[in-house]
Amino acid sequence: GAGVSQSPSNKVTEKGKDVELRCDPISGHTALYWYRQSLGQGLEFLIYFQGNSAPDKSGLPSDRFSAERTGGSVSTLTIQRTQQEDSAVYLCASSLNGYSYEQYFGPGTRLTVT
Amino acid sequence: EDKVVQSPLSLVVHEGDTVTLNCSYEVTNFRSLLWYKQEKKAPTFLFMLTSSGIEKKSGRLSSILDKKELFSILNITATQTGDSAVYLCAVAPYNFNKFYFGSGTKLNVKP
Repeated sequence: GAGVSQSPSNKVTEKGKDVELRCDPISGHTALYWYRQSLGQGLEFLIYFQGNSAPDKSGLPSDRFSAERTGGSVSTLTIQRTQQEDSAVYLCASSLNGYSYEQYFGPGTRLTVT
Repeated sequence: EDKVVQSPLSLVVHEGDTVTLNCSYEVTNFRSLLWYKQEKKAPTFLFMLTSSGIEKKSGRLSSILDKKELFSILNITATQTGDSAVYLCAVAPYNFNKFYFGSGTKLNVKP
């Protein structure tokens, strides 16, 4: 079956512009995670959605970052007024539910802020 | 502050060698430790460990957890060039609402 998909795969934007990154989780998966991976670093947790519960936003680095999950499926991560330090690979993962440890990762979006 | 630390940061070996990757952690409400292999962008799941002292094994890869000393090791025997990747360790707290990742160990296996 289809895995987690993300779009775009690459995004180059100018400093100060807003960007939207999209994640389509595996159908039926209720848990969705966003991570950021800077060059040579591990994954930094950003936000977690589980079903209809309020998202865990504790990892968002600033108020320029926000995320939505519509209809319990597709999620959009928005970065406003992008800065050069936002350049990273943004990874999305989904899991079956809030009790499942096994995350399935998408291919990521590489964001470059010039 | 919750943290996961991996060592070494990078490793170069030759095919056939055995390697041991280390992961230590300090995470509140620890539930499980997970190992992933990241070859390009998307990490792929290798193992989940919840109990101390029970080895998980898959082919040439094996892993074990020590919850008293707060660390885990990942062993790869008879390494192959296809094992070249970044190996990530992650710790999940009890409710799986977030995963704390280490910075990874970059393994390069030369022919």
